[in-house]
Amino acid sequence: AQSVTQLDSHVSVSEGTPVLLRCNYSSSYSPSLFWYVQHPNKGLQLLLKYTSAATLVKGINGFEAEFKKSETSFHLTKPSAHMSDAAEYFCVVSERTGGFKTIFGAGTRLFVKA
Amino acid sequence: NAGVTQTPKFQVLKTGQSMTLQCAQDMNHEYMSWYRQDPGMGLRLIHYSVGAGITDQGEVPNGYNVSRSTTEDFPLRLLSAAPSQTSVYFCASSSTGTYNEKLFFGSGTQLSVL
Repeated sequence: AQSVTQLDSHVSVSEGTPVLLRCNYSSSYSPSLFWYVQHPNKGLQLLLKYTSAATLVKGINGFEAEFKKSETSFHLTKPSAHMSDAAEYFCVVSERTGGFKTIFGAGTRLFVKA
Repeated sequence: NAGVTQTPKFQVLKTGQSMTLQCAQDMNHEYMSWYRQDPGMGLRLIHYSVGAGITDQGEVPNGYNVSRSTTEDFPLRLLSAAPSQTSVYFCASSSTGTYNEKLFFGSGTQLSVL
């Protein structure tokens, strides 16, 4: 069965320090994995996606994520947080099952302190 | 470049009232979908469409109807609103609806049912 677990509901970092948002998934097929960001009162915007090419995926605004099949993880990182990174982040797994099925994680809210 | 446009942005209904949430996209996307976002639960799929005249149910379809008469529009109808339908609703689209495509999201409709 397909599922996605974001291990932290809230993460708080200081500006200029690294960001780590954790995501574990399960899938019966070779999935595509995504990270989306949602700023307050806005729609979701794609940060990056993994589709079975390079396991280290670079996205927008300095974010990257590494697909680790052995650990079934797809953690999102950024070397240095900026105040504008404060938002909610969603890990998403999508797999081809006849049609296709997309599952969203519950989200991780990132707080960035000055 | 409008992308995905949702109206209204906010709506308050009384229990039992009906209404339609509008969604339009100008990217000639075949795939369109409706999600609801509730705290701590990520986004859940209500209904989706893979082209004009074709719709199907998602994870939480009860109490909602959709139709797709044109490629551009995908309205969501609440037939008899209930307090449990208080949520934020997002419309999303993608080009062909394959599992590894990114979704384009509207800015959301915040619905309160009293």
